[in-house]
Amino acid sequence: NAGVTQTPKFRVLKTGQSMTLLCAQDMNHEYMYWYRQDPGMGLRLIHYSVGEGTTAKGEVPDGYNVSRLKKQNFLLGLESAAPSQTSVYFCASSLFFGGDEQYFGPGTRLTVT
Amino acid sequence: AQTVTQSQPEMSVQEAETVTLSCTYDTSESNYYLFWYKQPPSRQMILVIRQEAYKQQNATENRFSVNFQKAAKSFSLKISDSQLGDTAMYFCAFKGIQGAQKLVFGQGTRLTINP
Repeated sequence: NAGVTQTPKFRVLKTGQSMTLLCAQDMNHEYMYWYRQDPGMGLRLIHYSVGEGTTAKGEVPDGYNVSRLKKQNFLLGLESAAPSQTSVYFCASSLFFGGDEQYFGPGTRLTVT
Repeated sequence: AQTVTQSQPEMSVQEAETVTLSCTYDTSESNYYLFWYKQPPSRQMILVIRQEAYKQQNATENRFSVNFQKAAKSFSLKISDSQLGDTAMYFCAFKGIQGAQKLVFGQGTRLTINP
């Protein structure tokens, strides 16, 4: 049982390049989330999914796209990376609603030069 | 929209001391959940403790306890007998029960436990 895994752990992009971050969970969770963490700002929600085939915008969605084709995977895409997207990205999942804990992946550190 | 505020960017205490981290939040909902997450240098987010708003009793988990004041919208974390391994960033988070029940995080408090 690996929990929540993220690929890759580190990445450096040049402005304008594209990439996809993969999040996978093996806990059969319905809800999945993508956050970004910037210094002094805590974690902010980018996009989330309440089930396979569904996605919705969070607090800071601009410049990102997501897809949830399989229940266990949640992909975050950057079509044209910008320096403002330099951040640490966290994926999380939870079983359903209410007080259920969100389980976090180890994070991906992305630098855009 | 809900907001969460942690007014202490950094705190530092000696090992074995007790420390309290502050958190306030703003919401119009009457039922919700509150969490404290710990983020050590490894970057992994770890749940420390959770509180359900409809429960008046404060949650406790071993050396960790909360002081939940619903009317004041305050949710502080007390760490007793602090240990070196408690050194980390601590985030307070709010989760409503409406919609997709997203977590809203505070800015974090960097806690250092000194030997």
